[in-house]
Amino acid sequence: DQQVKQNSPSLSVQEGRISILNCDYTNSMFDYFLWYKKYPAEGPTFLISISSIKDKNEDGRFTVFLNKSAKHLSLHIVPSQPGDSAVYFCAASVAGGYQKVTFGTGTKLQVIP
Amino acid sequence: EAQVTQNPRYLITVTGKKLTVTCSQNMNHEYMSWYRQDPGLGLRQIYYSMNVEVTDKGDVPEGYKVSRKEKRNFPLILESPSPNQTSLYFCASRRTDTQYFGPGTRLTVL
Repeated sequence: DQQVKQNSPSLSVQEGRISILNCDYTNSMFDYFLWYKKYPAEGPTFLISISSIKDKNEDGRFTVFLNKSAKHLSLHIVPSQPGDSAVYFCAASVAGGYQKVTFGTGTKLQVIP
Repeated sequence: EAQVTQNPRYLITVTGKKLTVTCSQNMNHEYMSWYRQDPGLGLRQIYYSMNVEVTDKGDVPEGYKVSRKEKRNFPLILESPSPNQTSLYFCASRRTDTQYFGPGTRLTVL
């Protein structure tokens, strides 16, 4: 049972445009959400997070939006840069992220120069 | 430099031969965990540990063991590896919401 779903395995975007990566979840107990970026041959690196008490969190070019009623979150990257080309994983957890963390299957983003 | 190290980085072994993948972090983090990454399945949590001597199962714990005898180390033990444990394994540690991942261990079980 995939509790965190990233339905788009890949996404291509032109440099300078907006990248929107989507994530859906089924477990209503999740209260903390994170996005990680992963380059080939490296471990994932933390990008941005959001608590369920918020609906938006921004960090530079990256913004995460949370829609609890739809059990949906999205990551916006504006403007997209070629260095953003990577696999992006959405993750969710219960109780502030200090317990079991469930990851999505990932979306491979390609930013075309 | 803050880091999580894993050893070995690559390992080819045979079915049934016990192995241990080591994980060490130098950030004094209490929380550590192990994941496996498989095509089409993303990252799945195997075990996690909230502190020394405190471990719990993740989503796919079958066939794995862990121990946490000291804060910095969190080894992953495969007592009798099988081909379906061929995967890319990541160790991670965290304090607040920032989880630091190791570089990965690519394991092949023949």
